[in-house]
Amino acid sequence: KAGVTQTPRYLIKTRGQQVTLSCSPISGHRSVSWYQQTPGQGLQFLFEYFSETQRNKGNFPGRFSGRQFSNSRSEMNVSTLELGDSALYLCASTVQGTNEQFFGPGTRLTVL
Amino acid sequence: GESVGLHLPTLSVQEGDNSIINCAYSNSASDYFIWYKQESGKGPQFIIDIRSNMDKRQGQRVTVLLNKTVKHLSLQIAATQPGDSAVYFCAENGGDYKLSFGAGTTVTVRA
Repeated sequence: KAGVTQTPRYLIKTRGQQVTLSCSPISGHRSVSWYQQTPGQGLQFLFEYFSETQRNKGNFPGRFSGRQFSNSRSEMNVSTLELGDSALYLCASTVQGTNEQFFGPGTRLTVL
Repeated sequence: GESVGLHLPTLSVQEGDNSIINCAYSNSASDYFIWYKQESGKGPQFIIDIRSNMDKRQGQRVTVLLNKTVKHLSLQIAATQPGDSAVYFCAENGGDYKLSFGAGTTVTVRA
């Protein structure tokens, strides 16, 4: 069974631009979560989706948004990029009926 | 968050020795805990989990201990190998569809 896939793996943007990251969960997993990982703040929860509905959101500004499609694939968008948005963005999908989250390799975003 | 004094940001261990990584969790309502291993350039990899109704769980070369009284979690790795060098995170689930992660411990295995 294929794992969680994220595209692109690396991205370089400049301040003020926007970016869209994509995540495909493990087949059969309907819950997708997003996390931001930085050296200073560690792993921080962004949001979680299940059946196209956002069930929880972390403490991030409104520039960070996401959505989930009917096939469980998810995207997150960051608008008006700031230097501090440089991070590894991780997506995780959850085994149905459990809390077991499995992570993808992440998208490394660099904002110049 | 993690309690100063329990959590060590780095751990150096001799190959073949046992490793113990500690973590203090903050939410007494958390009912599920996971240990993850993250190697350089990769996403966190699931190692082992434990529910709050248990105090010990064993996997292959790993054991997780949970002490709810002091809100403490530990991961024991037996016969540590070079491939165990990584950053280890504990995570807690408070029932709100998200995981809260600790700061991580970097384990370095000496040959």
